[in-house]
Amino acid sequence: EVQLVQSGAEVKKPGESLKISCKTSGYTFTLYWIAWVRQMSGKGLEWMGFIFPGEYQTRYSPSFRGQVTISADTSTKTAYMEWSSLKTSDTAVYYCARVARLTTPRGWLDPWGQGTLVTVSS
Amino acid sequence: QSALTQPASVSGSPGQSITISCTGISSDPVGYNYVAWYQQHPGKAPKVIIYDVSKRPSGVSDRFSGSKYGNTASLTISGLQTDDTADYYCSSYASSSSLVFGGGTRLTVL
Repeated sequence: EVQLVQSGAEVKKPGESLKISCKTSGYTFTLYWIAWVRQMSGKGLEWMGFIFPGEYQTRYSPSFRGQVTISADTSTKTAYMEWSSLKTSDTAVYYCARVARLTTPRGWLDPWGQGTLVTVSS
Repeated sequence: QSALTQPASVSGSPGQSITISCTGISSDPVGYNYVAWYQQHPGKAPKVIIYDVSKRPSGVSDRFSGSKYGNTASLTISGLQTDDTADYYCSSYASSSSLVFGGGTRLTVL
């Protein structure tokens, strides 16, 4: 069974750094792209970016480029999303999801992680 | 790339059928046939219900169907059930590596 398990909820102050994780199992980590998606409270889904662990390629939405860093560790089959300086506007639920089509970012997202709630407040 | 356009809300009665539209699908072959639909219940992660415009993942009810005409994709749910009450999102590709979602549609089955 393919599973993506995300790290737990975080409460941070503005200006702090944060790295959340998405641990995968049940498939070959290096053959599938992983997406990160933001959902602010009561709002819709926003694509943030992709990573292809097999070649360490990344793609970012223009809205998030320079604001976050996506990375992966093939030894632990884990993807990461990182902020160097959080803002209150980063408060949201963040999902990771596997792109279900082999070796391409052009596919449907399945499965999804359970989501990580990040709260940024002074 | 702007978000795809979906109606904010739709409603129906049990047993009826409804259709949710998703406008703004790229005419570029890069994204043309990569439309997916996701169902999200409150407090839960989204779940894919349609991919590649009209394909259903294993385990998804055949009451869910997808189609596309021009730059508009559609999700039809037949035989509405109360458990279909959820938010629905379409997605497509604006370029070879740029994913875009619709704004979401809240379906209420009364």
